Amino acid sequence: NAGVTQTPKFQVLKTGQSMTLQCAQDMNHNSMYWYRQDPGMGLRLIYYSASEGTTDKGEVPNGYNVSRLNKREFSLRLESAAPSQTSVYFCASSSTGYRVSGYTFGSGTRLTVV
Amino acid sequence: AQKITQTQPGMFVQEKEAVTLDCTYDTSDQSYGLFWYKQPSSGEMIFLIYQGSYDEQNATEGRYSLNFQKARKSANLVISASQLGDSAMYFCAMRLENNFNKFYFGSGTKLNVKP
Repeated sequence: NAGVTQTPKFQVLKTGQSMTLQCAQDMNHNSMYWYRQDPGMGLRLIYYSASEGTTDKGEVPNGYNVSRLNKREFSLRLESAAPSQTSVYFCASSSTGYRVSGYTFGSGTRLTVV
Repeated sequence: AQKITQTQPGMFVQEKEAVTLDCTYDTSDQSYGLFWYKQPSSGEMIFLIYQGSYDEQNATEGRYSLNFQKARKSANLVISASQLGDSAMYFCAMRLENNFNKFYFGSGTKLNVKP
């Protein structure tokens, strides 16, 4: 099925370790996003990429880096994980049209930093 | 600044009854879209319904309808004939036409449907 694929689904890291969350979409969407979801706080935007070759900071970018590898792929990297980065991470994509169905989300990555 | 407020952290509804989930928003922009997403316990985010700020009619999608009151800046989700499978978290979100790359999400409402 077409959609957004995130890997891994679960990950446990030790403080200070690094890792990359992978995201790929096959809907030919221009824009891709990384969100984190914490209890009671809804979803907060970490970084987004409006088009291939561009990335911009969202609401909570500190401690993260991103790469828009090509139109399909948008990765999120934690260089030195901290317990405060324990969260559920969602990748999403959308077309650039305004009257669209919002985002298509990946299934999420549950990350625990100990 | 843009803000979405969902004041009901949790709600219960009896199966087959209707339920309204509240959402208010704050923006000075005139052109925006309002969305509702469902997040079941499995974790994925599922798009439910969309309302544009210039749409005169309230949006409907099957058992979902959006009660849009622009002057009051509210965009409540109404689920008719609740089903057990409707038990989930529900998020209200807003997207501005002049900055479609930013979604503003509320904190969510946990709906439990009782048999």
